[in-house]
Amino acid sequence: QKEVEQNSGPLSVPEGAIASLNCTYSDRGSQSFFWYRQYSGKSPELIMSIYSNGDKEDGRFTAQLNKASQYVSLLIRDSQPSDSATYLCALLKAAGNKLTFGGGTRVLVKP
Amino acid sequence: DVKVTQSSRYLVKRTGEKVFLECVQDMDHENMFWYRQDPGLGLRLIYFSYDVKMKEKGDIPEGYSVSREKKERFSLILESASTNQTSMYLCASRATSGWDTQYFGPGTRLTVL
Repeated sequence: QKEVEQNSGPLSVPEGAIASLNCTYSDRGSQSFFWYRQYSGKSPELIMSIYSNGDKEDGRFTAQLNKASQYVSLLIRDSQPSDSATYLCALLKAAGNKLTFGGGTRVLVKP
Repeated sequence: DVKVTQSSRYLVKRTGEKVFLECVQDMDHENMFWYRQDPGLGLRLIYFSYDVKMKEKGDIPEGYSVSREKKERFSLILESASTNQTSMYLCASRATSGWDTQYFGPGTRLTVL
């Protein structure tokens, strides 16, 4: 089992709809969780971080964390073609000093 | 504006060559990282450094070494390049204050023939 699992996609979403991305992890002691966006040919950029159970909203993005079920999700509301990218889930394990990344989910927003 | 730069965007080398990848950051960050990214595998950590002359192995250090002689510069060395080291290499840096401060460089696409 991979430490961080993501559906590779592509996740095809009509413009204006909600894109829902999921990430599951195996280390129950993981403390901090991050979502990165990576455009094709570009480097990853941090879009959200979440540290406690529940929802965290930032503009059109909402991160949801459920430590009991060991998953973290990212919702993109009112999806735009510019949201088309690969989204990487990453986590920091308990007492960890490095991030562990999932394989990424490719999102395609169609006009 | 934060900046992490890498010496080359594209590099083509032959099997057995010694390869140097350079990374420079201008944010006075203590921590620097080298990752490789392969399709479907996400980013995997090769080495990281939390201070000058300090280094720690990441998840896949075999076949690589690193050097950090100055705070702003972190070099990745492939002692004898092999075809399975063909990949995208990403450098990152962050402040000790938190992982929210991690920034990536533009990446180096290395092809080993």
